[in-house]
Amino acid sequence: AQKITQTQPGMFVQEKEAVTLDCTYDTSDQSYGLFWYKQPSSGEMIFLIYQGSYDEQNATEGRYSLNFQKARKSANLVISASQLGDSAMYFCAMREGTDTGGFKTIFGAGTRLFVKA
Amino acid sequence: DTGVSQDPRHKITKRGQNVTFRCDPISEHNRLYWYRQTLGQGPEFLTYFQNEAQLEKSRLLSDRFSAERPKGSFSTLEIQRTEQGDSAMYLCASSLDRLGLTDTQYFGPGTRLTVL
Repeated sequence: AQKITQTQPGMFVQEKEAVTLDCTYDTSDQSYGLFWYKQPSSGEMIFLIYQGSYDEQNATEGRYSLNFQKARKSANLVISASQLGDSAMYFCAMREGTDTGGFKTIFGAGTRLFVKA
Repeated sequence: DTGVSQDPRHKITKRGQNVTFRCDPISEHNRLYWYRQTLGQGPEFLTYFQNEAQLEKSRLLSDRFSAERPKGSFSTLEIQRTEQGDSAMYLCASSLDRLGLTDTQYFGPGTRLTVL
């Protein structure tokens, strides 16, 4: 079973509009972390935002906010006022514990966002 | 501000050769991670270190792959007897362990491996 599901392979948004990138996750752990990363065409992964499973408030970082719905196991990324520079791949990731007491981060397949002028 | 660096950025090798990649994490970070990313996919976890100890290793990591972090600073990832299926981007990330699950990983630019 997929641990992280990003159902939108590609999304288009008009510049200055808001866009929501979907992410659902699967875990039986009570304690986990959720992350979003941006990967421009240059290839480097850029951290955007983090949400802890026990955080009651949705995380926000500038134009990025994470719509966390724990019961539905969803962690959608909302980008407000899209800019041309937001065109990139976006990855949702989950960090959870392992059977050996360590941690592992699992990434989704990504959503490619295209911002239109 | 020095981020995570990786060397080399690109490597082309012939099938059957051994290759070694290096990762230098952000200086105060005690955790270091290796991932593999193929075209159109998200990064796949390979292994991670806390200081010099290798704490977790993916089942994806065959016996041909080995990683070290001897002094708890830089790390090397070696692939022996490379196969064409090893062609991918190899990403390194580091983090400062605070509360376990919450530490944010910062990624390097990656090493792109092409096996001919």
